[in-house]
Amino acid sequence: KAGVTQTPRYLIKTRGQQVTLSCSPISGHRSVSWYQQTPGQGLQFLFEYFSETQRNKGNFPGRFSGRQFSNSRSEMNVSTLELGDSALYLCASSWPEAGGGNEQFFGPGTRLTVL
Amino acid sequence: KQEVTQIPAALSVPEGENLVLNCSFTDSAIYNLQWFRQDPGKGLTSLLLIQSSQREQTSGRLNASLDKSSGRSTLYIAASQPGDSATYLCAAAPREKVTFGTGTKLQVIP
Repeated sequence: KAGVTQTPRYLIKTRGQQVTLSCSPISGHRSVSWYQQTPGQGLQFLFEYFSETQRNKGNFPGRFSGRQFSNSRSEMNVSTLELGDSALYLCASSWPEAGGGNEQFFGPGTRLTVL
Repeated sequence: KQEVTQIPAALSVPEGENLVLNCSFTDSAIYNLQWFRQDPGKGLTSLLLIQSSQREQTSGRLNASLDKSSGRSTLYIAASQPGDSATYLCAAAPREKVTFGTGTKLQVIP
């Protein structure tokens, strides 16, 4: 069974631009969560989607948004990029729902660099 | 608000040694606690998941325990190997969202 895939693996953007990251969960998994990882803040929860609905949201500004499609694939978007958005963005999938006793499986991450 | 702490932040041990990594959490109302390893620049690899009703889980040389009443979990690694060198993260999962610890960076010296 294929694992969680994330595309692209690396991105370089400039301040003010926007970016869209993609995550394909493990087949059959319906929940996708997104995390931002930086050396200073560690792993921070962004949001969680289940059956195309955002169920939980972390403490990030509105520039960070996401969505989930009917096939459970998820995208996250960051608008008006800032230097501080440079990070490793990780997504995790679980079945049948996250945060409630089910194991999370992570993708390899997307390394975003904002210049 | 759940807070998860991992001590020590870094650990260096000689190959073959048994070791224990610690994870503390402030809110005992968790559904599960999961241990991960992360290699530099990579994603997280799930090691063990302990449900709230369980006390421990074992996989090979790894054993994780959970004590909800004291807000603690430990990851025991037996007979450490250089390939175990990585950052180990614990994550406490309440109903709403998962909270990660800051990790313990482990170096196993040959």
